[in-house]
Amino acid sequence: GDSVTQMEGPVTLSEEAFLTINCTYTATGYPSLFWYVQYPGEGLQLLLKATKADDKGSNKGFEATYRKETTSFHLEKGSVQVSDSAVYFCALKRRGSQGNLIFGKGTKLSVKP
Amino acid sequence: DVKVTQSSRYLVKRTGEKVFLECVQDMDHENMFWYRQDPGLGLRLIYFSYDVKMKEKGDIPEGYSVSREKKERFSLILESASTNQTSMYLCASSQDIDIGPQHFGDGTRLSIL
Repeated sequence: GDSVTQMEGPVTLSEEAFLTINCTYTATGYPSLFWYVQYPGEGLQLLLKATKADDKGSNKGFEATYRKETTSFHLEKGSVQVSDSAVYFCALKRRGSQGNLIFGKGTKLSVKP
Repeated sequence: DVKVTQSSRYLVKRTGEKVFLECVQDMDHENMFWYRQDPGLGLRLIYFSYDVKMKEKGDIPEGYSVSREKKERFSLILESASTNQTSMYLCASSQDIDIGPQHFGDGTRLSIL
């Protein structure tokens, strides 16, 4: 079945460091791919998305490229801030399926000043 | 902006009680979802609804039921609460079942004693 695998956390970085959170997926067809962010005590927010191969999603300095050949959608940011501390979830939605997003288990990021 | 509102941020109930979690969205979205979020397990879909009075089981429907009498409201019901249902519950909605990402509420942290 469809699945999403994220790198396990927690990830601890210093402010202004480069961030990569790996995400790979298994799915039939051509799913849409998403990154969500959950700040402490809040619900999930959509961070960025890509709906077809080679699309790059970007938002708030974060970006991720849909790589069909490696079935990956790694999240990157060039210079993290303390305010980026959160849990990040990679997710996929199989085209034509009704409703469900398949989520990774989440990666907790802590950024130290 | 899409707003998904969950009626309670925190709720404490006793084993055996019937528990209602309410969710309202204000964007006339067709699709609504209930997830639970547990450490190390990520988000898991309980039920979703793609139209009024229509519902589909997700990955973990046991012990839960749902109600969608109006388009904007989707209720999750714990028929007889048990301690293993202590969790964070997240409601979401989306416009496009095929591509659109889902907009989440802030969550209800439910404790069953």
